[in-house]
Amino acid sequence: AQKITQTQPGMFVQEKEAVTLDCTYDTSDQSYGLFWYKQPSSGEMIFLIYQGSYDEQNATEGRYSLNFQKARKSANLVISASQLGDSAMYFCAMREVLPMDSNYQLIWGAGTKLIIKP
Amino acid sequence: DAGVIQSPRHEVTEMGQEVTLRCKPISGHDYLFWYRQTMMRGLELLIYFNNNVPIDDSGMPEDRFSAKMPNASFSTLKIQPSEPRDSAVYFCASRERGDRTDTQYFGPGTRLTVL
Repeated sequence: AQKITQTQPGMFVQEKEAVTLDCTYDTSDQSYGLFWYKQPSSGEMIFLIYQGSYDEQNATEGRYSLNFQKARKSANLVISASQLGDSAMYFCAMREVLPMDSNYQLIWGAGTKLIIKP
Repeated sequence: DAGVIQSPRHEVTEMGQEVTLRCKPISGHDYLFWYRQTMMRGLELLIYFNNNVPIDDSGMPEDRFSAKMPNASFSTLKIQPSEPRDSAVYFCASRERGDRTDTQYFGPGTRLTVL
């Protein structure tokens, strides 16, 4: 079963508008973490923001915020005042505890390609 | 502080040749991960190390792939012999055990093309 679902393969957004990228997840763990990464056309994977399952506040990092709705198992990324440089692939990932030991592995979504129009 | 460093950034080789990819993790990070990214399969974890010891190599596709971490600041991923289907972007990532978020920080990747 797919554990991380990003339902938007691609999005076009006008510059300066806010953007919401969807991410839903599936886990039976009580303790987990959710991450968003950005991959521009140059190829590098850039960490954007983290949300822990026990964090009471939604995470924010500059123009990025995470709309965490635990009961709905969603962790949407919100980008305020979008810029041309925000055009990239965006990946949602979940930290999952491995059953064999206390180490962790990241489970990745398929990504959303965001294009900001001038 | 320097991020994760990978070399080379681009590698073009012919089928059957040996390929060695290199990674220097962030200083002080004790976990190191090797990933492969393709359009068809997305991002796949190949292997990861903790304190230079391989912990899980179940993602390594086959015996042609091997990875080593001789010390805390260096790791290699070797493909011998290479095949066209190995063409992909290979990422190295590292994280610090003491980081409560367990965030992985990625290198710039090596784009491998096997002709």
